[in-house]
Amino acid sequence: QVQLVESGGGLVKPGQSLRLSCAASGFTFSDYYISWIRQAPEKGLEWISYISSSGSNIYYADSVKGRFTISRDNAKNSLYLQMNTLRVEDTAVYFCAREGAAAGRYFDKWGQGTLVTVSS
Amino acid sequence: SYEVTQPPSLSVSPGQTATITCSGHNLGDKYVCWYQQKPGQSPVLVIYQDTKRPSGIPARFSGSNSGNTATLTISGTQSMDEADYYCQAWDSSTAYVFGTGTTVTVL
Repeated sequence: QVQLVESGGGLVKPGQSLRLSCAASGFTFSDYYISWIRQAPEKGLEWISYISSSGSNIYYADSVKGRFTISRDNAKNSLYLQMNTLRVEDTAVYFCAREGAAAGRYFDKWGQGTLVTVSS
Repeated sequence: SYEVTQPPSLSVSPGQTATITCSGHNLGDKYVCWYQQKPGQSPVLVIYQDTKRPSGIPARFSGSNSGNTATLTISGTQSMDEADYYCQAWDSSTAYVFGTGTTVTVL
C-alpha cells in the first residue's frame, strides 16, 4: 500500500538547521508531485513547498522562501527538506503529502508527520 | 495572496446533517477539496474536485462549489465524524491554499 514516512524532526535552537526526510513506498514515486505541509501546535495546515515529479519545478511559500530547500532523489524514493536559520515560529509537525493524479491539485496521501521544535 | 475562510466550529446532533462552508473570492472557479483530521492523526482526503469521493470514503460525505462558497455536507452524521475539517484550493499566485479549519462536534 502507499506509504509516506517522515523522519528527521527534533529539538533545535533558533538559527540552527535540520534536514527532514520522507521515504515513499507502494507507488511509482517518480510519477508524482510531492509537497511539505506543516501544522503548528493547535493550529491549521500550512503548505510550505512542492517539487514536481522530475524535480525541475519547485515552489515555496513566502514564510520559508530563502531558508528552506526541497529536493528529491527518485532513485531512492525519497523527498527531503533542508531547513536553515530556523525560527521559533517554524515549530510544527511537518507532513509530506502526495499530490493526486486527477486535476485539482489536492493531496491524496499523507505521511504521519515529524515534529520540529525550535526553542532556546 | 488568495485566502479561504471557514467557520471555526460547528455542533451537530447524531443523525443530523452537518454543513461546513469554505468561502473565497470566485472560489467556484477553482477546484476545492476537503480533508478530515482527527486528533493526533494525519489529514485524510474526503472530497476532491469539488464533489468526488476517494475510495473508502462513506457516501454520507458530499461536496459542492459555486460562486464564492464551497460546501462539505455530512448527512446522517455519526460520532466517528467528529474531527477538524479543512478545505483546500489551488491558486496560481499563492499555490495551495488551506482554509482555516472547522471543528465539528457531534453531541
